Amino acid sequence: DSGVTQTPKHLITATGQRVTLRCSPRSGDLSVYWYQQSLDQGLQFLIQYYNGEERAKGNILERFSAQQFPDLHSELNLSSLELGDSALYFCASSYPSGGTGNTIYFGEGSWLTVV
Amino acid sequence: GNSVTQMEGPVTLSEEAFLTINCTYTATGYPSLFWYVQYPGEGLQLLLKATKADDKGSNKGFEATYRKETTSFHLEKGSVQVSDSAVYFCALMRRQNQGAQKLVFGQGTRLTINP
Repeated sequence: DSGVTQTPKHLITATGQRVTLRCSPRSGDLSVYWYQQSLDQGLQFLIQYYNGEERAKGNILERFSAQQFPDLHSELNLSSLELGDSALYFCASSYPSGGTGNTIYFGEGSWLTVV
Repeated sequence: GNSVTQMEGPVTLSEEAFLTINCTYTATGYPSLFWYVQYPGEGLQLLLKATKADDKGSNKGFEATYRKETTSFHLEKGSVQVSDSAVYFCALMRRQNQGAQKLVFGQGTRLTINP
């Protein structure tokens, strides 16, 4: 158990709909990351938040948005869903160490299926 | 840009065989290097890491050495078990401006160990 909690674990929804994925980081971790894992694209970095502020942005679509709340949990909002958005979405967290030796801990992921 | 290349899978071995999964990277500066493992139906788990040249990361019988001269971080295990069957991801982290950090993953190598 990494200490990173994601809900829901599985989600099936229709095209055009909107869903929200939730993540609770490890206790004390200030950074939250979102990754998407799909069969054709592999593991793709979406976005990073640090203590409520956006720090880095990756291949995140405009239809997707995220935020980190004062209690440090994070939500990833996916809207106008398309079949191609079906994937495993990982949340991860870390405590900043000031260097690249930071270990990023991953949750078990949220499986999203768009039908 | 930063990238990671892993040997293509799937890799199938017999129990107690020697394992090598090749990983090479392209990055400016001095990234940290990681191996993550994803067991069937589970999330990503950190297997081992190395933060500077010539460092050796090790865990659960797996080892990998950070080779700057060959830009490699090959994963090895002397005697694999059926329980090692999983997908293995090599990754690098390079710290960016304003504390932004992201892991860049290879495409993953699926390993199957037969009894």
